[in-house]
Amino acid sequence: SQTIHQWPATLVQPVGSPLSLECTVEGTSNPNLYWYRQAAGRGLQLLFYSVGIGQISSEVPQNLSASRPQDRQFILSSKKLLLSDSGFYLCAWSWRSTGELFFGEGSRLTVL
Amino acid sequence: AQSVTQLDSHVSVSEGTPVLLRCNYSSSYSPSLFWYVQHPNKGLQLLLKYTSAATLVKGINGFEAEFKKSETSFHLTKPSAHMSDAAEYFCVVNLNRDDKIIFGKGTRLHILP
Repeated sequence: SQTIHQWPATLVQPVGSPLSLECTVEGTSNPNLYWYRQAAGRGLQLLFYSVGIGQISSEVPQNLSASRPQDRQFILSSKKLLLSDSGFYLCAWSWRSTGELFFGEGSRLTVL
Repeated sequence: AQSVTQLDSHVSVSEGTPVLLRCNYSSSYSPSLFWYVQHPNKGLQLLLKYTSAATLVKGINGFEAEFKKSETSFHLTKPSAHMSDAAEYFCVVNLNRDDKIIFGKGTRLHILP
């Protein structure tokens, strides 16, 4: 069976510090991978998605970046966090044939 | 631009009455469409999906949705609301051409006793 792991679950960081959120998928190969940010009243905002190693599509221009160094690993990063980066971040994967998303448990980021 | 619009941010219905949550999409390609539900402090759960087979799709917990290409809609319905249906519901579009998956802003469903 397939599983998705996302960490850390909770993170409190000062403004201007770096960020690294990591997501790995087990039990499948060549998945599509997604990073979303969830905010009240705004649904899930698509930040980045990837259809293969090294292939990243960015949806929202901001100070975040994503990388996919391995087939089942997806990393969300920032060099300098802003207050507005606070939120709940969700990693997800899907099979290309179905498009159904499977979510990690999320990472709550608070920038102070 | 490709997008998905949930027309109501909040919907309130009485227990036992029908539920209608509206969703319209905009896409240049044949999309796949989904509804997810999120109960308070819980993760997202797939309710149902449309992937170009039958236009009337049945999901879990008595929910169903009808894909209407002419109206670019995928509204979610349930004949009789239950208190346990109180949650936030998201309409989701998979733009199949490039695997981009976009969420609507959500509709919070309130069930009145």
